[in-house]
Amino acid sequence: GAVVSQHPSRVICKSGTSVKIECRSLDFQATTMFWYRQFPKQSLMLMATSNEGSKATYEQGVEKDKFLINHASLTLSTLTVTSAHPEDSSFYICSARSRVGTDTQYFGPGTRLTVL
Amino acid sequence: GENVEQHPSTLSVQEGDSAVIKCTYSDSASNYFPWYKQELGKRPQLIIDIRSNVGEKKDQRIAVTLNKTAKHFSLHITETQPEDSAVYFCAASKQAGTALIFGKGTTLSVSS
Repeated sequence: GAVVSQHPSRVICKSGTSVKIECRSLDFQATTMFWYRQFPKQSLMLMATSNEGSKATYEQGVEKDKFLINHASLTLSTLTVTSAHPEDSSFYICSARSRVGTDTQYFGPGTRLTVL
Repeated sequence: GENVEQHPSTLSVQEGDSAVIKCTYSDSASNYFPWYKQELGKRPQLIIDIRSNVGEKKDQRIAVTLNKTAKHFSLHITETQPEDSAVYFCAASKQAGTALIFGKGTTLSVSS
């Protein structure tokens, strides 16, 4: 099956710094990737839709200048949390849809971000 | 936009019993409904999905039913086992490849 990886799996940073999270589709090309945020014991909240070669589409209430998304290739999307604060601490998960027409989305293993 | 409601939030069953989780959606244009299983600290895993042109789909102990008119769909797990214990999420999307909108999740506990 399709495999999506994320790096890093865990990151701890100081308040005010920026953190970059990578999402890769390992064995398929993904024209569209999605970024979700999940707080403990809560559901996945869609943050943005990332399309290869174009600007990301952000959900209402998500600051695009704070959560920078780049989808430079068919296998890589990055999420950069800029000027991180403790309230940004969360589990960030990406998903990718195969380029070949299908509804199925495959999720990455997630990145646990802790901002001190 | 789409809104997905999921019930119950927690469900405890004895091993061997059946478990049913229900979801409703608000946007009649939604046409794809997957179910994901998530274990603590891990990624959501797709367990079954259904499209709006189908009323029911089954895969071994797992089945999903869809009622388009009522805009609800349900997950049925039969002969539950302790390893079925996890959080289950339903989701909906409007068209192929668009973002999934998730329900709030159901924590299923199967005791032996």
